[in-house]
Amino acid sequence: AQKITQTQPGMFVQEKEAVTLDCTYDTSDQSYGLFWYKQPSSGEMIFLIYQGSYDEQNATEGRYSLNFQKARKSANLVISASQLGDSAMYFCAMREVNTGGFKTIFGAGTRLFVKA
Amino acid sequence: GAGVSQTPSNKVTEKGKYVELRCDPISGHTALYWYRQSLGQGPEFLIYFQGTGAADDSGLPNDRFFAVRPEGSVSTLKIQRTERGDSAVYLCASSVTGTGHYNEQFFGPGTRLTVL
Repeated sequence: AQKITQTQPGMFVQEKEAVTLDCTYDTSDQSYGLFWYKQPSSGEMIFLIYQGSYDEQNATEGRYSLNFQKARKSANLVISASQLGDSAMYFCAMREVNTGGFKTIFGAGTRLFVKA
Repeated sequence: GAGVSQTPSNKVTEKGKYVELRCDPISGHTALYWYRQSLGQGPEFLIYFQGTGAADDSGLPNDRFFAVRPEGSVSTLKIQRTERGDSAVYLCASSVTGTGHYNEQFFGPGTRLTVL
């Protein structure tokens, strides 16, 4: 079974609008962390935001927020006020503390296109 | 300060040859990770080092792949008898520590390996 599922291969958004990138995960571990990374065409992975499984509030970092719904095992990324520079691949990832060793598992990614 | 660096940025080799890929992590980071990213996929975990030792090598696909980190800083990923299926971008990441569910990983630009 896929540990991390990103069902949107590609998404389009108009500049200055908000967009939600979906991520669902599968784990039986009670303690885990969820991450979002951005990968521009240059190829470098850039850390965006983190949510811990015990965090009760949704994480926010500037224009990025993580909509964490633990019961549904979803961790969607919301980008507000999209900018042209947001066009990139976005990866959702998970790290399981007790059962996952030290590995971080990544989803297949969503390519975001921001239109002017 | 300097980020994670990887050399070479590109490597073209012939099937059956031996290659070495180098990663220079951020100074002071004790945790180092290697990932492989195939076209259109998310990064796939290969191996994790805490200090000099490989704490988790469960992602190495077979015994042709080996990695070392002899002094706890620079790491080398070694691939013997390369196959065309090894063609991918090899990413290195480092973090302050590898324990716990939160570890912000800083990624290098990657080495694009092409096996002809």
